Amino acid sequence: QVHLVQSGPEVKKPGASVKVSCETFGYTFTNFLINWVRQVPGQGLEWMGWINPYNGKTASAKKFQGRVTLTMERPANTVYMELRSLTSDDTAVYFCTKENYYPKGAFDIWGQGTVVTVSS
Amino acid sequence: DIQMIQSPSTVSASVGDRVTITCRPSPAIFTWVAWYQQKPGKAPKLLIYKTSILQSGVPSSFSGSGSGTEFTLTISSLQPDDFATYYCQEYNGNSRTFGQGTTVDIK
Repeated sequence: QVHLVQSGPEVKKPGASVKVSCETFGYTFTNFLINWVRQVPGQGLEWMGWINPYNGKTASAKKFQGRVTLTMERPANTVYMELRSLTSDDTAVYFCTKENYYPKGAFDIWGQGTVVTVSS
Repeated sequence: DIQMIQSPSTVSASVGDRVTITCRPSPAIFTWVAWYQQKPGKAPKLLIYKTSILQSGVPSSFSGSGSGTEFTLTISSLQPDDFATYYCQEYNGNSRTFGQGTTVDIK
């Protein structure tokens, strides 16, 4: 069964970094892009970026360029999202999600979400 | 970057009503539009992809259509389980932009 499992909740101080993991199960890891989406409490979905597990290529939204790094560990079928220079505005639920076609697809499988709280 | 202008932001409806939600991309795009349903505290659920293809397991009361500068999600007969927030999304190039969301609530 295809599913994604994310790491647990994080509490960080302003200025710190956070790294969230997303382990994939049930399909060939290199076949589909993995995206990261966040949702600030009470607000909508915000796309952050994607990583291509086949070749490591990444793309990110302009808002996060220079502050987000997407990486992967192919033997572990796991991708990572690191966000730096955190502020209270980064308090949100962060989701990883798999696309349903290559090279571009909709998001058919989602992780359970990771709550990141930024507070002094 | 492509922007997805979604409307309305809220729609109040009753069970059995027909509901239509619209997304207008700027600039115009082809067919790579998806629709999601999200309930409080849950991850979004894929309903429609490539403008009009129904995701497996999604009721046939949901349908998608459109091209260019206007895409729509239609719920032909609203059911109690359909009260939720809906998002459109484009995936035409490197970006994967979402619309602002439409909450369907009980009239």
